[in-house]
Amino acid sequence: GAGVSQSPSNKVTEKGKDVELRCDPISGHTALYWYRQSLGQGLEFLIYFQGNSAPDKSGLPSDRFSAERTGGSVSTLTIQRTQQEDSAVYLCASSLASNSHEAFFGQGTRLTVV
Amino acid sequence: AQSVTQLGSHVSVSEGALVLLRCNYSSSVPPYLFWYVQYPNQGLQLLLKYTTGATLVKGINGFEAEFKKSETSFHLTKPSAHMSDAAEYFCAVSEKGKTSYDKVIFGPGTSLSVIP
Repeated sequence: GAGVSQSPSNKVTEKGKDVELRCDPISGHTALYWYRQSLGQGLEFLIYFQGNSAPDKSGLPSDRFSAERTGGSVSTLTIQRTQQEDSAVYLCASSLASNSHEAFFGQGTRLTVV
Repeated sequence: AQSVTQLGSHVSVSEGALVLLRCNYSSSVPPYLFWYVQYPNQGLQLLLKYTTGATLVKGINGFEAEFKKSETSFHLTKPSAHMSDAAEYFCAVSEKGKTSYDKVIFGPGTSLSVIP
């Protein structure tokens, strides 16, 4: 596709349910990032993929959070047993391999846990 | 580990006035530095970046930033603010010289308001 695509754009879920957030990066981009943006907050790094590998998972807030990437393309961020504090906008970005390159961002998924 | 601070979570300027958004970083190796802008209800887009070479970098929409190693700063400026510049601005850093397996770290952001 022309840009980074994230789905769904909005998700409302009940506390305790599991959710899956999807990211389709730009074709050919080997690096993929997940960030979380809470209301009035900056961008919190969650996880980084290079190809299908995740060299850095240090930002995942708890073991309820996991992510995978298959075929060096699509990535899924899964949040198990959602809590209200998980409510935020989850942003995905992709870039060419080197960290000197521009990261292209999707529009984000707005997650609301009620 | 690298980190980014942005002085002032909110900045207001009058239309036509100078815009100055501050960014300081810490990095154990020479950095790559970026400024991104986020307009309301939109994703982030790159304004400009510094990788190597000239320390004064020009970006889109009349913005520029200067890498000052001695001050560990990468402040963003624009000579004359326009109403359309109202947005959230994020400074970001990644570390040069390591493997490409490294993350980009973002600052907390500065919200810019432009007063007519």
